[in-house]
Amino acid sequence: QLQLQESGPGLVKPSETLSLTCTVSGGSISSSSYYWGWIRQPPGKGLEWIGSIYYSGSTYYNPSLKSRVTISVDTSKNQFSLKLSSVTAADTAVYYCARLGYSSGWYRFEAFDIWGQGTMVTVSS
Amino acid sequence: DIQMTQSPSSLSASVGDRVTITCQASQDISNYLNWYQQKPGKAPKLLIYDASNLETGVPSRFSGSGSGTDFTFTISSLQPEDIATYYCQQYDNLQVTFGPGTKVDIK
Repeated sequence: QLQLQESGPGLVKPSETLSLTCTVSGGSISSSSYYWGWIRQPPGKGLEWIGSIYYSGSTYYNPSLKSRVTISVDTSKNQFSLKLSSVTAADTAVYYCARLGYSSGWYRFEAFDIWGQGTMVTVSS
Repeated sequence: DIQMTQSPSSLSASVGDRVTITCQASQDISNYLNWYQQKPGKAPKLLIYDASNLETGVPSRFSGSGSGTDFTFTISSLQPEDIATYYCQQYDNLQVTFGPGTKVDIK
């Protein structure tokens, strides 16, 4: 069955760029029925959507993070990636990647139905 | 931006009790609402999609209802394994917002 796995450094210095990759296995990232998303959760807090990408490269971002976020896709590797620039301690969180259903006929998202296990990223010098 | 609120923020109930959580959107989102369960140290799990549809494999004691701005999530008979935090999530207009969550535990 489809699985997602996050990877990347667990520690990032303030003002630097956080980079994570999500590898999709057991299925193709190039499906017209799904976007692929990043969601984060600071310790003890709730979930925050960061953004989502289609296999074609089309992206949608959380307006509150848009100026610092870049999400990209590599269909040849069945991966998508997150870059978050100018990080501070407030960016310390568990970062999840997830599959997001997409209705191309209605141009709307659906639900995050498959999630990675999450990876903890700490911003500290 | 669409804001989501949930109430209560936490609750304690006995095994077998009926549990209800409400979620309110800051504007009309039709039925573009999902519910997730998150257990400590685990990724969220989709329970209800499109406000009222039960995800495959999810027990029937979980249900959802509502449309527009007001939504309800119900556990008809609370079980020990339902101890978790529950989040609503809207997906209108190609944007996503999660509610702040409701922590459910056993009294």
